Amino acid sequence: DAGVIQSPRHEVTEMGQEVTLRCKPISGHNSLFWYRQTMMRGLELLIYFNNNVPIDDSGMPEDRFSAKMPNASFSTLKIQPSEPRDSAVYFCASSFRTKDYGYTFGSGTRLTVV
Amino acid sequence: DAKTTQPPSMDCAEGRAANLPCNHSTISGNEYVYWYRQIHSQGPQYIIHGLKNNETNEMASLIITEDRKSSTLILPHATLRDTAVYYCIVLYTGNQFYFGTGTSLTVIP
Repeated sequence: DAGVIQSPRHEVTEMGQEVTLRCKPISGHNSLFWYRQTMMRGLELLIYFNNNVPIDDSGMPEDRFSAKMPNASFSTLKIQPSEPRDSAVYFCASSFRTKDYGYTFGSGTRLTVV
Repeated sequence: DAKTTQPPSMDCAEGRAANLPCNHSTISGNEYVYWYRQIHSQGPQYIIHGLKNNETNEMASLIITEDRKSSTLILPHATLRDTAVYYCIVLYTGNQFYFGTGTSLTVIP
């Protein structure tokens, strides 16, 4: 398996633009997680899905952030409009029976908003 | 969820065992202890987990005290590639891992 695949690896955008980050989980995994990492705040859980349904989005910072999982093999995290403080590395992770096997993380998308 | 406490940083000589401690004094009976590590700029990587018995895999060993209030991750022969931030996490119900600040391990040649 190719693991959790995130795209793009790097994104530079101007303030006010829409940004869409993409994630393809490992086939057969039924849970998907979006995290954000900054130096100041560390790794923060933004939202997680179970069987394509959002279960907990309490970590989503504000209405400018939205996430979808239209099917078991694809998820997006969208920021509209983007702001410089959204600059961070965004990680996607997936799991099957988290308690037994933990998560597998993707390589992340480094977002810079200028 | 039980919180964890880890030293912010540690050094270890290459080839020696690295022993990374974690306190989780508020852990309850059905909470698992997980260890992940994050090598610079990469996504966190699962290492090992356990409930109350000691565990060993190809990467590391996990020693959990009898009262389960603390644990130690052991990398038996640390290499330079083990330099990373190591996170100790307690998982209660649900699926969510909440990462703290971890221990930054530096393996010294």
